[in-house]
Amino acid sequence: DAGITQSPRHKVTETGTPVTLRCHQTENHRYMYWYRQDPGHGLRLIHYSYGVKDTDKGEVSDGYSVSRSKTEDFLLTLESATSSQTSVYFCAISQGVRGPHGYTFGSGTRLTVV
Amino acid sequence: GENVEQHPSTLSVQEGDSAVIKCTYSDSASNYFPWYKQELGKGPQLIIDIRSNVGEKKDQRIAVTLNKTAKHFSLHITETQPEDSAVYFCAASKTGGGADGLTFGKGTHLIIQP
Repeated sequence: DAGITQSPRHKVTETGTPVTLRCHQTENHRYMYWYRQDPGHGLRLIHYSYGVKDTDKGEVSDGYSVSRSKTEDFLLTLESATSSQTSVYFCAISQGVRGPHGYTFGSGTRLTVV
Repeated sequence: GENVEQHPSTLSVQEGDSAVIKCTYSDSASNYFPWYKQELGKGPQLIIDIRSNVGEKKDQRIAVTLNKTAKHFSLHITETQPEDSAVYFCAASKTGGGADGLTFGKGTHLIIQP
């Protein structure tokens, strides 16, 4: 989607290795989110950010950390990847309650942990 | 926390017929209810949303209704077309789509039969 970019689009990594996924936005939106999508579970919130250096945990935060040093970038890190973290990861941005268009999602990162 | 139930998980309708997808939510404080459409290999895209001070909202062939007393909301698609085939997600939020993130249903795979 225009204004939000996720990288990489695909990644295969080995169990126990660290992995960082990047979300970059050009919309200057305040809120940024990381979700994971798994069959039978829909979309589940991992972490979110409500400003630079302001982050909080979501529903499934164990094993993940995030950082937001600039408005435009939100990084998701798997400190030591496990097979249960094989998933499709989506970043989303929002202007919050005053925003007219809800969330805008990126195109996703497909992560496979072998 | 909030829990969103979505039914059915799969819905098959003839082209030109109507489709209805239903969701219930648990937290009476939720006040923002968006619907997303996800095509294969893409991120979810907002198609319509409704806030708790409104009972119904329409946008061409799609409409959403909200019953706050019963804590359920529904997506209605009329005159379905092949391009409506996708996975649809409902969601709920207490913060109008800002902080805390959205809680999603598990999704409905809508199949439009020619």
